[in-house]
Order: sequence, then structure tokens, then C-alpha cells
Amino acid sequence: EADIYQTPRYLVIGTGKKITLECSQTMGHDKMYWYQQDPGMELHLIHYSYGVNSTEKGDLSSESTVSRIRTEHFPLTLESARPSHTSQYLCASSEPGYNEQFFGPGTRLTVL
Amino acid sequence: QKEVEQDPGPLSVPEGAIVSLNCTYSNSAFQYFMWYRQYSRKGPELLMYTYSSGNKEDGRFTAQVDKSSKYISLFIRDSQPSDSATYLCAFFSGNTPLVFGKGTRLSVIA
Repeated sequence: EADIYQTPRYLVIGTGKKITLECSQTMGHDKMYWYQQDPGMELHLIHYSYGVNSTEKGDLSSESTVSRIRTEHFPLTLESARPSHTSQYLCASSEPGYNEQFFGPGTRLTVL
Repeated sequence: QKEVEQDPGPLSVPEGAIVSLNCTYSNSAFQYFMWYRQYSRKGPELLMYTYSSGNKEDGRFTAQVDKSSKYISLFIRDSQPSDSATYLCAFFSGNTPLVFGKGTRLSVIA
């Protein structure tokens, strides 16, 4: 089983709140990713990082931001949550030059 | 034309059936071909991985790649209720993130 963790697993929050979704991995992987996935729908890449101090936007435009200050940690922040942000957020990581992505269990976010 | 096309299903089969899941792609730069399985309310996990045309077997699962037709398939023999999940094809072309299909939802009925 992959050692990649996400907290919280479930979050219900009101509109306008600032939230940070945590993702950490203990495998020493340089590459980390954030995906957004609505129930029964496809994965959308929203952010990725190929190492410390490196972040890129993904295919899906997102109002979230990310940071990569430490190799093992890749938090995602929403400055002002809205109901349209309600979704599942999945974090993943992979080794450089190796294609398998290991996924965390996800954070299910509901914004009221 | 989308880079990856995958029939979203849903697909419902009786236990013991042979299941065929398919993806087509348009990017000739794709070098590695993968199938991920995602159970409900979980993250995807890698099921099969191949980089050449032909077949690769792992137990009840066979991954097939046809680079000339830009077509990949996943076959599941003797399907079980525990195989009920969403199956996503994924493609890798170099130092870029994986490109995922939309996923096919499979239900195996006992």
C-alpha cells in the first residue's frame, strides 16, 4: 500500500472560508499532483509539482493554490470556498522517470 | 479530437463473464500504457502497465496494446463481483503528467 496521506478525509464548510487540504507522502517522491473528481466523473489535473519550489497549473482551471516547500508535503489552499468547489480532491505522487502514480484516499469537500 | 477516448459505460455483466474495456488515443508520443482501477470513494490504483504492442497477462487480467491503431484494451476473465469498480486508462509520453481517460464504470452481478 502506498504511503500517501490526505487530511481531512471529509470536510463540510461554509461559503467564504479559507481551507487547506493536506497531502503528504513518505516515499521521497519528487513529483506530486492534485486532481479534482466529481462523483462518477473523470479526473481533472489541477496542480502538479516536480520538486521543491516548483509548481504548475494543470489542465483544469482552478481557484486553488499550492505550495511545495518540502519534498514530502504538497498542500492545496482555497482562499474563499464556494459551493462550486464541492468535489473530491485526490493527491498523488510518483518517482522521476517512473510512470506509476500513487494516489491518496482523497478529501471529500462540501461547501455549503 | 480528444487526446484519449474511453466509453464511460456503465457496463453491467454477470459473474464469470469476460469483460473488454477499451481506449483509443491520438497522441503518437505516448510511450507507456496503463490501466488503473478505482473503487468507490477511493483513489485509483495501478492495475496493469505496459510499453509495447501486444498482450501482457497478470492473472485474470490481460492488457493489450495496438500502437498502429492507437488502441488499448483491458480484458478481465472470469469476472467477479469484487471487480466492480471504475477502470481508467492512462498514458505517459515523457516528463509530463499522465493523461487519463474518463473511466468506465463496471458492475459484476453475482
